Order: sequence, then C-alpha cells, then structure tokens
Amino acid sequence: DAMVIQNPRYQVTQFGKPVTLSCSQTLNHNVMYWYQQKSSQAPKLLFHYYDKDFNNEADTPDNFQSRRPNTSFCFLDIRSPGLGDAAMYLCATSKTGTTATTQYFGPGTRLTVL
Amino acid sequence: AQTVTQSQPEMSVQEAETVTLSCTYDTSESDYYLFWYKQPPSRQMILVIRQEAYKQQNATENRFSVNFQKAAKSFSLKISDSQLGDAAMYFCAYAGGTSYGKLTFGQGTILTVHP
Repeated sequence: DAMVIQNPRYQVTQFGKPVTLSCSQTLNHNVMYWYQQKSSQAPKLLFHYYDKDFNNEADTPDNFQSRRPNTSFCFLDIRSPGLGDAAMYLCATSKTGTTATTQYFGPGTRLTVL
Repeated sequence: AQTVTQSQPEMSVQEAETVTLSCTYDTSESDYYLFWYKQPPSRQMILVIRQEAYKQQNATENRFSVNFQKAAKSFSLKISDSQLGDAAMYFCAYAGGTSYGKLTFGQGTILTVHP
C-alpha cells in the first residue's frame, strides 16, 4: 500500500546533540511537509517542499533545517536540540493538481530530549 | 489570514449514539477545502472527511457526515452510531485553493466514547 513512512518512531537525544528524522513516501506526491506537534495541540507547520523548492515558515527557528534529496525522501535536521524541542514530528505529503489537495500523514517520530 | 476555531475542547458520547463536533473558520477566499482529521492517542493522523467549498452537497463517509454552511463559515462533523474506536482528537482544518494544501488547523476536540 502507498504510504508515508517515518523513521525512527521514537528518538532520544541529548541536549545540544544534532538529530535527524527521516520521512519517505511511496505516494509520488510532489509536496512534503514537516510539522511539530506538542501534547494535545494542533500540528504546527515548520516548512514544506514544493517539488525541490524549500518554503520555511516565518516563525520556524533556525535550529530546524530540512533536506529533500529526491521526490521520495525528506529529512528534518535539528542542529542543537533544546528541551523545548521535545515533541512529535509529523511528516505529510500532498499532490498538487488533484482535487482537495489532501495531506496524508505519517505515523510521526516522538523526540525526547534529555 | 485564515483562522479555524473549534470551540469544544472535549466532547463525550455514549456508544451507538450520535455526536456533533463544531468548527468555524474565517477566510476571504472563495475557493478552499475543509477537512476533518482524526488522531487517536499515540497513533497516526488520518483523514475522516473532506469538503470542497464549491460543492453545495454535504460530504458523507459511512457514519461520518458534515454540515457545511458556507455563508455562516461553519463546518461541523456528525458521527452517527458512535463506536469505541471513534475515540480520538479530532482536528478541523482549512486549505485555501491557491495554497496547494497548506493546512490551517483548529485547536482540536477530544472525543471520548463511553461503552
């Protein structure tokens, strides 16, 4: 089945130690998104790729970076994680040119910062 | 800027009963889409139902239906014959027609289903 996959599902890192989260998709969607979701809150968009074009949200800290080496993969890099970065990180995809431009979400990576 | 408001932080329903979750939104766009997403505890966010603004007919997916009132900018979700598996956080979301799917989420409503 076509899907959005995130690895790892759980990630523990130390304060200030760089960490990379991975997202892959078999949907062949051209738009990929990264969200941060804290407990009982709505997801907050960090940035997205429209094809190869990177689009950063205005309030996304510089500590967060992203790479998209090809259509299928997208990475979230946190350069120096702080305690406040502990959250669930969601990857989502959508395809332009289709009706409703629905986003499909991965299962998320839960990040713990010690 | 678009905003989405869910005024019910928590709702509860008895199994087999019907419950309605409220959502209002604000936009100046004429072309847009509305969604309800379900996020069970510690599980994946999945699409429940979607509505295109240009369609007057309310969307329906099995036990899930919406009441879309475009003039009032209201988009409520009705769950019929509630099941224990319906227990989750429900998010209402908006996507403008020109924003290729960028979502604006409401605050979410936690739905509890009592056996």
